[in-house]
Amino acid sequence: DVKVTQSSRYLVKRTGEKVFLECVQDMDHENMFWYRQDPGLGLRLIYFSYDVKMKEKGDIPEGYSVSREKKERFSLILESASTNQTSMYLCATLQGYSGNTIYFGEGSWLTVV
Amino acid sequence: GQSLEQPSEVTAVEGAIVQINCTYQTSGFYGLSWYQQHDGGAPTFLSYNALDGLEETGRFSSFLSRSDSYGYLLLQELQMKDSASYFCAVRSTGRRALTFGSGTRLQVQP
Repeated sequence: DVKVTQSSRYLVKRTGEKVFLECVQDMDHENMFWYRQDPGLGLRLIYFSYDVKMKEKGDIPEGYSVSREKKERFSLILESASTNQTSMYLCATLQGYSGNTIYFGEGSWLTVV
Repeated sequence: GQSLEQPSEVTAVEGAIVQINCTYQTSGFYGLSWYQQHDGGAPTFLSYNALDGLEETGRFSSFLSRSDSYGYLLLQELQMKDSASYFCAVRSTGRRALTFGSGTRLQVQP
């Protein structure tokens, strides 16, 4: 079974803080993603990475950056957290270029106060 | 770009059959996927249609019609544990990430 682990399940941060969300996968998948989930808006893609040190912007990258120094680890960074970034963040992986099954982590609930 | 539309909520009773529709707009895509998410949990893969027609997996079936830009998820013999949100998703040609619909919340009542 694919395992995608998000290091923090629940976080509360203050406005202006730098926030790191970590994600680790154990299946050697090339592709890793960060989605944000908000009620009524579904899952929206923030950033994704298809290889070490390679990244591409998704649909809502503003206010976020990412880091992929090792194949198994993909980090989402909020440089200066704001209250409108309060959300659930989901990390996911996908095998290869033609894979169609995406595997999600359990999610990180971030509250910015 | 891509967009997918699904109803926001559906209610049904135990033992019944329910169909969740998904209409999409995309220039080209590999297939239509469905994911299930229980409250507080992560989305999990349910089914995938690469070709037109019906795919059956136990009590769940999924259908795709590319000519109509339409698909649906059919849940039979509903159980209380099927209460969850269901998302349709596409992976567009040339894009690695999936684009998701806004989700349909299914409530199964006794």
